Amino acid sequence: GEDVEQSLFLSVREGDSSVINCTYTDSSSTYLYWYKQEPGAGLQLLTYIFSNMDMKQDQRLTVLLNKKDKHLSLRIADTQTGDSAIYFCAESYTGRRALTFGSGTRLQVQP
Amino acid sequence: DAGVIQSPRHEVTEMGQEVTLRCKPISGHDYLFWYRQTMMRGLELLIYFNNNVPIDDSGMPEDRFSAKMPNASFSNLKIQPSEPRDSAVYFCASSLTRMNTEAFFGQGTRLTVV
Repeated sequence: GEDVEQSLFLSVREGDSSVINCTYTDSSSTYLYWYKQEPGAGLQLLTYIFSNMDMKQDQRLTVLLNKKDKHLSLRIADTQTGDSAIYFCAESYTGRRALTFGSGTRLQVQP
Repeated sequence: DAGVIQSPRHEVTEMGQEVTLRCKPISGHDYLFWYRQTMMRGLELLIYFNNNVPIDDSGMPEDRFSAKMPNASFSNLKIQPSEPRDSAVYFCASSLTRMNTEAFFGQGTRLTVV
């Protein structure tokens, strides 16, 4: 089965907050990442969190990590139409530099 | 640096033909990854290299797929013979050794096998 799971779709109105959720199964995950993919483009790293942290904030982005429940979330404040994209959660761990990605959440921002 | 460069951007080929996808990583990066993206299976790791040496190729689907990294500035992924189910977007990415660094992705090669 999949190691990293995400809901497939989220629709919000411009100016609202968006919360994208992710669950992972590998307890040895060291880093957890959020990547953004715009249509026809590669993936771009938005932010990452180390597994010994609970929260990380970076401008409009807030990442929350619940290690006990293996749950990661990305909150985008004041969501803009330019935030419409697919958001991927990914994990890696010491000894394995490659990333394991979730299925991606398509965020649609309505004006 | 221009980022990770992949070529071609689009490739349409007939079933049975050999396909070669190319990647130039960011200069100085010592990890290189090949991923495949499809609607059905999402993003899958095919293979990755560290200092030009393949570390994990367990994601390579079958013997029809092969990847090489002859030097630090070039890698290719070959499919021979190609099949319609190989149609996907193939991404190359590169990164530094440190865990808290970004893996930079290329724009991808959209492969269509008819």
